[in-house]
Amino acid sequence: DAGVIQSPRHEVTEMGQEVTLRCKPISGHNSLFWYRQTMMRGLELLIYFNNNVPIDDSGMPEDRFSAKMPNASFSTLKIQPSEPRDSAVYFCASSLISGALNTQYFGPGTRLTVL
Amino acid sequence: RKEVEQDPGPFNVPEGATVAFNCTYSNSASQSFFWYRQDCRKEPKLLMSVYSSGNEDGRFTAQLNRASQYISLLIRDSKLSDSATYLCVVNAGGTSYGKLTFGQGTILTVHP
Repeated sequence: DAGVIQSPRHEVTEMGQEVTLRCKPISGHNSLFWYRQTMMRGLELLIYFNNNVPIDDSGMPEDRFSAKMPNASFSTLKIQPSEPRDSAVYFCASSLISGALNTQYFGPGTRLTVL
Repeated sequence: RKEVEQDPGPFNVPEGATVAFNCTYSNSASQSFFWYRQDCRKEPKLLMSVYSSGNEDGRFTAQLNRASQYISLLIRDSKLSDSATYLCVVNAGGTSYGKLTFGQGTILTVHP
């Protein structure tokens, strides 16, 4: 079975450039999550969608970050313009939320470096 | 106070040792609890859910104390392959039903 798929796996870009990260959740899952992980701050939830609708975006750092989920099988996280402090590993996760059950399955992550 | 707090370690133990990790959470309304494992430069993976009555999965035992807002993970007969970061995870439930909050993680190194 295919797990969560993320692309690219690695991205190196220069400050000011636009970065787009992509995620394909597990088929049949109804929720998708974007996380950022750094040594200093650990794993932080940026935004999550339920049935393609953004539910909580309180973790999105600022207006430079935006996320979309146009359909159940695809989501993007965009950073424009990027800054060196955005360097981190960005994980996408998906789950089938049912009542209190919310087991999240993570993709392999995108390692972003902004120079 | 952080929502989920863990002792970051690192814990360095010999093979065969028993090791325990602790975690506290601040939201008394939290509904579900998990331990995730993260290997170096990999994604977090679910290790086990934590149930109110406590639960065991092979060498791993998880306990929950709702009154003290405390979660624990016990690993018996440690293996080299248990070396990883262990993340305590809490689901607040309610209107935040989808939101998992992760602790900073506890680093475990098992040596020969």
